[in-house]
Amino acid sequence: QKEVEQDPGPLSVPEGAIVSLNCTYSNSAFQYFMWYRQYSRKGPELLMYTYSSGNKEDGRFTAQVDKSSKYISLFIRDSQPSDSATYLCAMTVPGGGNKLTFGTGTQLKVEL
Amino acid sequence: DAGITQSPRYKITETGRQVTLMCHQTWSHSYMFWYRQDLGHGLRLIYYSAAADITDKGEVPDGYVVSRSKTENFPLTLESATRSQTSVYFCASSGVGNEQFFGPGTRLTVL
Repeated sequence: QKEVEQDPGPLSVPEGAIVSLNCTYSNSAFQYFMWYRQYSRKGPELLMYTYSSGNKEDGRFTAQVDKSSKYISLFIRDSQPSDSATYLCAMTVPGGGNKLTFGTGTQLKVEL
Repeated sequence: DAGITQSPRYKITETGRQVTLMCHQTWSHSYMFWYRQDLGHGLRLIYYSAAADITDKGEVPDGYVVSRSKTENFPLTLESATRSQTSVYFCASSGVGNEQFFGPGTRLTVL
């Protein structure tokens, strides 16, 4: 079993929908959680960064961490076709040498 | 150019040849990483480096060699390329915080 599980999709939604992307993990030592967005044929780019539990909001994006359930989510409000990409979750432990453990990514398509 | 760059962006080579992929970052980040990305496997760590002259194996190091004589450069060498090394390779760097910043990738095909 992988340390981080992520549904690969593809997930297809209409423009304007609220999107929920999720990851579960097994290592309770993870404290730092990230979401990356990767467009086709591009490198991953950091989208959201959160520490420990709670919510963080940035424009249309909200990252949520539930450490008791070992579950993290990324919500996208008012989704746009430009949000079509693969979304990867990543996480790390304190003092982990900046190494990240990645989910395999969820492919999202927002349709007009 | 500021940021992290990779070269070449595309490479076709033959089985058994030696190939070197270059990675250069301008942020003076201490940490650098090499990943390969394959369908169904996501990003897999090949090697990483905590500082110049300090490198360590990741999840899939076999068949690869790295060096880091300067903080800003982290080349990855495939000593004798195999078809199973056909992949997209990403370099990343990380500084004081633990978020990583990725390069644009090198698409490698081994015939």
